[in-house]
Amino acid sequence: DIQVTQSPSSLSASVGDRVTITCRASRNIRPYLNWYQQKPGKVPKLLIYAASTLQSGVPSRFSGSGSGTDFSLTINSLQPEDFATYYCQQSYISPRTFGQGTKVEMK
Amino acid sequence: QVQLVQSGAEVKKPGASVKVSCKTSGYTFTTYGVSWVRQAPGQGLEWMGWINPYNANRDYARNFQDRITLTTDTSTSTAYMELGSLRSDDTAVYYCARVFYDDSPLDYWGQGTLVTVSS
Repeated sequence: DIQVTQSPSSLSASVGDRVTITCRASRNIRPYLNWYQQKPGKVPKLLIYAASTLQSGVPSRFSGSGSGTDFSLTINSLQPEDFATYYCQQSYISPRTFGQGTKVEMK
Repeated sequence: QVQLVQSGAEVKKPGASVKVSCKTSGYTFTTYGVSWVRQAPGQGLEWMGWINPYNANRDYARNFQDRITLTTDTSTSTAYMELGSLRSDDTAVYYCARVFYDDSPLDYWGQGTLVTVSS
């Protein structure tokens, strides 16, 4: 199975900060990497797919990059509604594994 | 609008089975697959499997291979996930989600179904 490792597992940030979360796959997954946001008690929401394509309706302060094994999610100018847990997921090959999540907390 | 509406919470005893439904609307059911993901309390997301309603092709995560059955009913645009031989560590929220194909992102999600396994 492909392992997907996110880092950090948590971070503290302030409104207006630039935040970067990384995801590393244990083998080449081309651009088949997706990012989701989940708020407490809520359903996960797709933010970015195919490494860098913004899902419709998602604010442009979110961006993704990478290919192969190393990927990143960047939030420019963190907003109050962005405090949440973020998950990456590889959809290249079964099982379509998720990273363990990164919790973005308010400093 | 695209909607996936799941069945209600369940409480099951160890060793029992549970069947969760996911009724879809707002799109052509046979054009998209349905994936299932679970989340244990306080834990991350775990991909369980995928089914293509058009041809019933399925793919199961190895962790669930011998206990999970995914089915669909195209007449009602509903997907089902049945998990057997339940254990206490199967206590989780179970989600269905729409995918265009098995290598696609999960773009619309159901609201989740809490399954509690307890004696």
